[in-house]
Amino acid sequence: SQQGEEDPQALSIQEGENATMNCSYKTSINNLQWYRQNSGRGLVHLILIRSNEREKHSGRLRVTLDTSKKSSSLLITASRAADTASYFCATDAGTSGSRLTFGEGTQLTVNP
Amino acid sequence: DGGITQSPKYLFRKEGQNVTLSCEQNLNHDAMYWYRQDPGQGLRLIYYSQIVNDFQKGDIAEGYSVSREKKESFPLTVTSAQKNPTAFYLCASSPHFTGGINEQFFGPGTRLTVL
Repeated sequence: SQQGEEDPQALSIQEGENATMNCSYKTSINNLQWYRQNSGRGLVHLILIRSNEREKHSGRLRVTLDTSKKSSSLLITASRAADTASYFCATDAGTSGSRLTFGEGTQLTVNP
Repeated sequence: DGGITQSPKYLFRKEGQNVTLSCEQNLNHDAMYWYRQDPGQGLRLIYYSQIVNDFQKGDIAEGYSVSREKKESFPLTVTSAQKNPTAFYLCASSPHFTGGINEQFFGPGTRLTVL
């Protein structure tokens, strides 16, 4: 079953602008991860945030986690055309080992 | 050069035929996974394996079978019982199945089309 739901489904911005994607989930989690997928390719892990963390940074990426609202957001600052891809959140409920449940993704288009 | 390889990249199959997708990793990871992705959608788990000679069904295992005879290999067979097999198939691995951080590493995928 799909636990994560991303919002918006599609996002189109200009180069240099910030992009924010949101993820909501239903059950308690051990950690939440964000992945990126370029068209027709495999997924690449971007960042992981544990359930006891509220914010995490990696380069131009900023992830927040609100466990009380069961939601997370991914912010990409100063976007580039090369950031054009689909972004997925994945939750680890911790009860089934390393099984991840993926959302349906946000398609980000960054226009030059 | 470590990573996960999947072959072939594109695969065409006639209705009623079984077909096997290859997945190999040289990362020395214990756990391996197979996902199915339909256009514009997320990933759905087909099967996963925590360790050699062991595997469990995921959310959509019907019409699929796997084996895990070697740590580095986790082939997926799409059988004729799978009613709608046309999709993009992704293989992944992670260092351990339990014990905390479980970032998954993905292969490039195999696009299967049933003619």
